[in-house]
Amino acid sequence: GENVEQHPSTLSVQEGDSAVIKCTYSDSASNYFPWYKQELGKRPQLIIDIRSNVGEKKDQRIAVTLNKTAKHFSLHITETQPEDSAVYFCAATNQFSSGSARQLTFGSGTQLTVLP
Amino acid sequence: ETGVTQTPRHLVMGMTNKKSLKCEQHLGHNAMYWYKQSAKKPLELMFVYSLEERVENNSVPSRFSPECPNSSHLFLHLHTLQPEDSALYLCASSQDVRQAGNTIYFGEGSWLTVV
Repeated sequence: GENVEQHPSTLSVQEGDSAVIKCTYSDSASNYFPWYKQELGKRPQLIIDIRSNVGEKKDQRIAVTLNKTAKHFSLHITETQPEDSAVYFCAATNQFSSGSARQLTFGSGTQLTVLP
Repeated sequence: ETGVTQTPRHLVMGMTNKKSLKCEQHLGHNAMYWYKQSAKKPLELMFVYSLEERVENNSVPSRFSPECPNSSHLFLHLHTLQPEDSALYLCASSQDVRQAGNTIYFGEGSWLTVV
């Protein structure tokens, strides 16, 4: 099955600095890579995603890069703000062994703290 | 945002109790999921339903029993749980479980404590 590893587990940055979170995946057939943000006590919410036919995608201060050859993808947040403080999860989608459905396998999460 | 709603938000139960978690989605999606979120662990997929049919069961103990009476509702029946089952249980939905790239929308979760 798929295995997604995420680093670092905790990350502290000064407000205005950039933050980078990295994930690796094991299943070369994975073709969709979303990132979720979970604020304290709230639900995980999709913030950006990328498909395997694209190398980079950007949405304002957030960008995601994908290296299919190396099987890793990264989240980049520029000009960080205190409200960016949250747990960020990467995920990769792969097919169930039965072939009946696709599932998201999540990384273990990164606690990002933006210091004012 | 009330696309996926879960009740109760908090539940404390003894190991011999029987309780149920409820989830309802108002997004017109065909797929619903139960995830378990424990401290310092990745989100673990428990069950997947597509159009009320269970598609996958990720080796979940039988003390967790899902039920999907229709495409908008999903239950998780709990019986004789263990303290290590204490966690946040997240319900989610997506348009189609068979296609990659479907955004998964999560509910706020039900915090379960087993004493």
